[in-house]
Amino acid sequence: EPEVTQTPSHQVTQMGQEVILRCVPISNHLYFYWYRQILGQKVEFLVSFYNNEISEKSEIFDDQFSVERPDGSNFTLKIRSTKLEDSAMYFCASSPREAVSYEQYFGPGTRLTVT
Amino acid sequence: GEDVEQSLFLSVREGDSSVINCTYTDSSSTYLYWYKQEPGAGLQLLTYIFSNMDMKQDQRLTVLLNKKDKHLSLRIADTQTGDSAIYFCAEFQERQGNLIFGKGTKLSVKP
Repeated sequence: EPEVTQTPSHQVTQMGQEVILRCVPISNHLYFYWYRQILGQKVEFLVSFYNNEISEKSEIFDDQFSVERPDGSNFTLKIRSTKLEDSAMYFCASSPREAVSYEQYFGPGTRLTVT
Repeated sequence: GEDVEQSLFLSVREGDSSVINCTYTDSSSTYLYWYKQEPGAGLQLLTYIFSNMDMKQDQRLTVLLNKKDKHLSLRIADTQTGDSAIYFCAEFQERQGNLIFGKGTKLSVKP
């Protein structure tokens, strides 16, 4: 069964460094998302992406964040200058959207630790 | 703003039924979902219900929706130790096209 994959599973970085989190969505899906979950808190929406551009973004998704679909398969989230409060589990999701039920399929997540 | 609330913990004995409850605030939500997260794994979509339904059954899972009270529940029949996980309720926010999640309910199944 096709699934969303994410790499790396765990990333440790120093404050101020740039990180790129990678995702391979399910191949025939059209909509892509990033969510994050700070330890002990809710899963929060960051950004959605469709047709090679951002569809929607939350207040969390400020100028430090960017997303890209550099080729036909990868979908990346870049954090330009990481802060301690960026430490979280980052989930990528994809959705066919033609499905009436709008279901989103999630990857296993990347745990980002900023020291 | 929109919010989804769940109780944080539930403990049941193997073979019993589990009922995980959720309340949401956005009355315009069209779809509501249940996701399961096992330790170290991602969010697995278990089931969903459309807002004009009040019940959906899928094998051992039964979803009940009370739209008037904005209350959603997930019943797991004959709960097994493999059902131990965190269960997230989520609503589809049509305006932005994203999901709004609850904090998750940690289900512990005792043998």
